[in-house]
Amino acid sequence: AAGVIQSPRHLIKEKRETATLKCYPIPRHDTVYWYQQGPGQDPQFLISFYEKMQSDKGSIPDRFSAQQFSDYHSELNMSSLELGDSALYFCASSPRANNEQFFGPGTRLTVL
Amino acid sequence: AQTVTQSQPEMSVQEAETVTLSCTYDTSESDYYLFWYKQPPSRQMILVIRQEAYKQQNATENRFSVNFQKAAKSFSLKISDSQLGDAAMYFCAYRKTGTASKLTFGTGTRLQVTL
Repeated sequence: AAGVIQSPRHLIKEKRETATLKCYPIPRHDTVYWYQQGPGQDPQFLISFYEKMQSDKGSIPDRFSAQQFSDYHSELNMSSLELGDSALYFCASSPRANNEQFFGPGTRLTVL
Repeated sequence: AQTVTQSQPEMSVQEAETVTLSCTYDTSESDYYLFWYKQPPSRQMILVIRQEAYKQQNATENRFSVNFQKAAKSFSLKISDSQLGDAAMYFCAYRKTGTASKLTFGTGTRLQVTL
């Protein structure tokens, strides 16, 4: 079965640089979620999209922005990177009628 | 705001034995969903089991079952016949009903399985 695809899987950036993380949901899933998991922490919700519109927003810094495109893939743009942004970033998708979120493998971002 | 609490940072169980992981939550909603996710060393988030709050019957998935006590806002996970592959971090999570509702996670319980 198709799963959520995230790219890249690993990313290394310098402080103050910009990063773009991509998420391709499972086919026919119209809802996408982004979570950030710091070292030794639980995943924290950043933002979600339903039918290409922002649905909910969590503790996402103003330096981050995201969108969902017409093909339902989503991108998380992160600017002015800080050391504290180093984390595992998960994307999850779900079909509207279902309560289950399917997680991608995550993108590990390291900021040096 | 909803909160999820896992009071056991670490647990250990012998292979083939049974272990119970605890989770409590706080919400003012009457309808919601509860989940247990497993995160092995690969860091992949794997859904173990889910429970709809309106269902009184406890969910069961093979060796995994829950004890859902709605009035007490308690949602524990029981793993029977533990296997080495069960070793992982386990997160309890809450989600209210509605489209695109976020998951709120507990801080996790690290489960060790010994021979």
